[in-house]
Amino acid sequence: SQQGEEDPQALSIQEGENATMNCSYKTSINNLQWYRQNSGRGLVHLILIRSNEREKHSGRLRVTLDTSKKSSSLLITASRAADTASYFCATDAKNNDMRFGAGTRLTVKP
Amino acid sequence: KAGVTQTPRYLIKTRGQQVTLSCSPISGHRSVSWYQQTPGQGLQFLFEYFSETQRNKGNFPGRFSGRQFSNSRSEMNVSTLELGDSALYLCASSSIPRGGGETQYFGPGTRLLVL
Repeated sequence: SQQGEEDPQALSIQEGENATMNCSYKTSINNLQWYRQNSGRGLVHLILIRSNEREKHSGRLRVTLDTSKKSSSLLITASRAADTASYFCATDAKNNDMRFGAGTRLTVKP
Repeated sequence: KAGVTQTPRYLIKTRGQQVTLSCSPISGHRSVSWYQQTPGQGLQFLFEYFSETQRNKGNFPGRFSGRQFSNSRSEMNVSTLELGDSALYLCASSSIPRGGGETQYFGPGTRLLVL
C-alpha cells in the first residue's frame, strides 16, 4: 500500500510556467524525498528534505515540508519540455518503512 | 562511478515459470532495495538487503525472494509466476540502510511480462 498521496494526479502546463505538486502522508517520517521518472524508466532522485527542515532548493526546484500537516510540495519554476515526467514523493517513516506515492504526471507543452 | 545496473532489461515468461533478476549496486554501496511498479498498485517495496542480510520485507507472498552476495550484488527470484507479476522491477542502492536519510539511486529496471 502507498503512504504518500500526490495531487494532482496529472498536470499540464506551458513551457515557462511553474508547476506545483503536492504530497500528503500519514505517519511520522525521518525524511521525504522527491523522484522523477521518465516513461517507465528508473527513478532519478531530485531532492531530500529532512523532518526538521521546512524548505530546500535545488536549481529550479523548491521543496517545502509541513510536518504538522503531514504534507510536502514540489515547485518546478520556469518549466521546460524536458521536465515532462512523473514525479513521486517517497517517505522514510520512523519505523524504517519507505513508501511511494502514486505520482503526478506532469506534461510541459513547448 | 558507474550507476546501478539491472539485468535483464526485458523479460517475457509464461505463468508457472520462475524468474531471476539481477542488480549490481553502485560501487561501495551495501544496501540494495527492490521495488515493484505496476499501473494499478504503483511503486511497492519488496525487500532490502544490507551486507547480505535481509533487513526489511514488504507485503508480498513467499514466491518473491531475494539474496545478496558478498560483493553486494543482489538477485530477486519470483517462482510460480502469475499474470499479476507483470511489472517493472526496480532496484535501488545506497551506502547505508534505507531510512538513514541517504539518497537511494535507482537502476533502469527490468520489465517483466508474464503471459
